[in-house]
Amino acid sequence: GNSVTQMEGPVTLSEEAFLTINCTYTATGYPSLFWYVQYPGEGLQLLLKATKADDKGSNKGFEATYRKETTSFHLEKGSVQVSDSAVYFCALSSRDGGFKTIFGAGTRLFVKA
Amino acid sequence: EAGVTQSPTHLIKTRGQQATLRCSPISGHTSVYWYQQALGLGLQFLLWYDEGEERNRGNFPPRFSGRQFPNYSSELNVNALELEDSALYLCASRGRGGTYEQYFGPGTRLTVT
Repeated sequence: GNSVTQMEGPVTLSEEAFLTINCTYTATGYPSLFWYVQYPGEGLQLLLKATKADDKGSNKGFEATYRKETTSFHLEKGSVQVSDSAVYFCALSSRDGGFKTIFGAGTRLFVKA
Repeated sequence: EAGVTQSPTHLIKTRGQQATLRCSPISGHTSVYWYQQALGLGLQFLLWYDEGEERNRGNFPPRFSGRQFPNYSSELNVNALELEDSALYLCASRGRGGTYEQYFGPGTRLTVT
């Protein structure tokens, strides 16, 4: 079945550091890929998405590129801020799976001032 | 445009009782998904409703059930509550057709004592 694996956290960075959170997936067909963010005490917000190979999703300085050859969708940001502290979930959704979203385990990011 | 709404925000029940959680999707969205986010266990798919019918369910016992109303809002019912049912329950909605992304509500935190 479909699955998502992302790097374990927590990840602790200083403000303005470069962020990478690795994510790989297993899926049949052609899934869409997502990054969701969950701030403390809140629900999930869609951060960015990519719907086909080589698509790059971007939002709020975060980027991720859909790499079919490596089945990866790594999240990057060039300069993190304290306000980026949150849990980040990599996810996929496909028609085969009834459009339900399969999530990775989540990576908690702490950014220190 | 109003987002996905869920009620109540918090719910405290005792073991053996029943809990009812409610979700209103984004206007025009016909699919509703329920997920459980238990501490340390990530996000697990529970149920998918579309056009009033249950389309898919995750690996949860039958005491987790629900329904979707003609206005596409949805209820999640959990019978015979157990301590391990304590979790954040997230509802998400999806638009018609082949769109993949889901939009999440803020969640209902259920505590079973």
